[in-house]
Amino acid sequence: DTAVSQTPKYLVTQMGNDKSIKCEQNLGHDTMYWYKQDSKKFLKIMFSYNNKELIINETVPNRFSPKSPDKAHLNLHINSLELGDSAVYFCASSQALWGEQYFGPGTRLTVT
Amino acid sequence: AQTVTQSQPEMSVQEAETVTLSCTYDTSENNYYLFWYKQPPSRQMILVIRQEAYKQQNATENRFSVNFQKAAKSFSLKISDSQLGDTAMYFCAFMPLGAGSYQLTFGKGTKLSVIP
Repeated sequence: DTAVSQTPKYLVTQMGNDKSIKCEQNLGHDTMYWYKQDSKKFLKIMFSYNNKELIINETVPNRFSPKSPDKAHLNLHINSLELGDSAVYFCASSQALWGEQYFGPGTRLTVT
Repeated sequence: AQTVTQSQPEMSVQEAETVTLSCTYDTSENNYYLFWYKQPPSRQMILVIRQEAYKQQNATENRFSVNFQKAAKSFSLKISDSQLGDTAMYFCAFMPLGAGSYQLTFGKGTKLSVIP
């Protein structure tokens, strides 16, 4: 019954590694997002996909690459992880670009 | 660029009392949505309430209501009959509805503690 799910919920890895976070929504929404929440709880948009097409691509390092295999999935791949990448990453979805956004449970990434 | 300001980093309220969280925003847009999201210790982001800028009537959802003052660019959240489960971070958010600009911008949040 989970509307927006993310895996894994926790991820601990070493600097320099490559990791992926998966997101799936079963709401039938057309638009999906990735947000980063830093240690001060500030939430900022990273990417937005609408019907599998990249809409928003904020200034994030190109080590971050989103991939949307279909409308229900938006994965986030991160190359060469750095200490500053430690944060909580949220996936979200909405019916349309201007719709209410529903968030996944978040993935706490810790880079050591 | 839009900015959202929550001037109260932390607040506390006694159980069953009423509390108001402040939010102001800066925009040149005329059409937009405003939201309040709640993030309890579980980390889940939960939509509390939405307000359309073209609507003069303030939105309400059970114990949650807003005071939307468009001219003043103010959007406060009132929680009535506070409950322990209301303890959470509360984020105000703004979404413009201009062509191609539907990005959600969040404030820095207000940490609310409900005291038994």
